[in-house]
Amino acid sequence: DSGVTQTPKHLITATGQRVTLRCSPRSGDLSVYWYQQSLDQGLQFLIQYYNGEERAKGNILERFSAQQFPDLHSELNLSSLELGDSALYFCASSAGTGPYNEQFFGPGTRLTVL
Amino acid sequence: AQKITQTQPGMFVQEKEAVTLDCTYDTSDQSYGLFWYKQPSSGEMIFLIYQGSYDEQNATEGRYSLNFQKARKSANLVISASQLGDSAMYFCAMRGLTIGNEKLTFGTGTRLTIIP
Repeated sequence: DSGVTQTPKHLITATGQRVTLRCSPRSGDLSVYWYQQSLDQGLQFLIQYYNGEERAKGNILERFSAQQFPDLHSELNLSSLELGDSALYFCASSAGTGPYNEQFFGPGTRLTVL
Repeated sequence: AQKITQTQPGMFVQEKEAVTLDCTYDTSDQSYGLFWYKQPSSGEMIFLIYQGSYDEQNATEGRYSLNFQKARKSANLVISASQLGDSAMYFCAMRGLTIGNEKLTFGTGTRLTIIP
């Protein structure tokens, strides 16, 4: 158990809908990262938050947004869903910056868009 | 930009044998970190081993060791005495060490199957 929790574990929805994925980082970790794992794109970085502020952005679609709350949990919002958004979405957390800063991954949320 | 290349889509290895999973990388960063993660069929990402670009010695963690050759930009994972439970996808990844450059960049992975 990495200490990172993600809910829900599975999500099945229809095209055009909106969903929210939730992540609670390890206790004390300030950084939260979101990654998408799909068959055609592999594992891709979406976005990073550090202590409530956006720190880095990757290949995140405009239909997707995220935020990190004062209690450090984070939510990833996916809207106007398309079939191609079906993927495993991981949240990871780390303590902060530094030469050695392992990212601990949550169990993932498997999103299926029908 | 950072890039990770894993050229072995799949490997079959006899139980108890050692196995080497290849990873090459490309980056313009002077300092960076290299990681290996294991993803079993259940889907979770399990951290295995880390190597810093400034580390002079190769990293080891139990049966895992990282063969780091900086000049060749390679960071191969060596698993000694393979076990059936080692069957999984293995991902090589790298990250920068500066603020805003901490994301992990992953390779396409190698599916390792251990044969009894």
